[in-house]
Amino acid sequence: AQTVTQSQPEMSVQEAETVTLSCTYDTSESNYYLFWYKQPPSRQMILVIRQEAYKQQNATENRFSVNFQKAAKSFSLKISDSQLGDTAMYFCAFMKGAQKLVFGQGTRLTINP
Amino acid sequence: DAMVIQNPRYQVTQFGKPVTLSCSQTLNHNVMYWYQQKSSQAPKLLFHYYDKDFNNEADTPDNFQSRRPNTSFCFLDIRSPGLGDAAMYLCATSRAPGGRDTGELFFGEGSRLTVL
Repeated sequence: AQTVTQSQPEMSVQEAETVTLSCTYDTSESNYYLFWYKQPPSRQMILVIRQEAYKQQNATENRFSVNFQKAAKSFSLKISDSQLGDTAMYFCAFMKGAQKLVFGQGTRLTINP
Repeated sequence: DAMVIQNPRYQVTQFGKPVTLSCSQTLNHNVMYWYQQKSSQAPKLLFHYYDKDFNNEADTPDNFQSRRPNTSFCFLDIRSPGLGDAAMYLCATSRAPGGRDTGELFFGEGSRLTVL
């Protein structure tokens, strides 16, 4: 079974700082997808960024980028120039083949003014 | 405009009294999911539909059932809610896998269930 581990239950940074959220996963598969989802307080979860395992290049979406280390099974999210609106729970997630996402435990990120 | 709509947003029920939560989508997606999320925990997949094909997770209790009468609607039935079933229930949709947006789930705002 695939597992996803987020070792940082909570993080807090000042606005405009850069923050990195950690995620490790366990799988024996070679083809899969990794994701970071954001769940703001009292709002729906949305996709932040996606990485396909066969792609060596790290995905980037504006201020969000990942550091994908396939051999180490590590998938961290970097948020640059953090904004108050980035305050949310962040979930790392894994998908292989079938349509099912497996989520990590989440990291509660607070951006302070 | 909301694309995945869950009703009700808040549901209070008594121990053992059946509850139905609904989810509708305007995205015409093939796949619809129900997740259970307890406080400060990861969402846990209960089951999903790929079109009309129902896929139950092995550890989903029999107390939880689902119906998908058409592409747009999906229901979660909890036959006899216990105190441990108090949670946020999230509905999500996605296209069939294999495309460039594989893994992108569109979530509703959730239905928070309280069991008294």
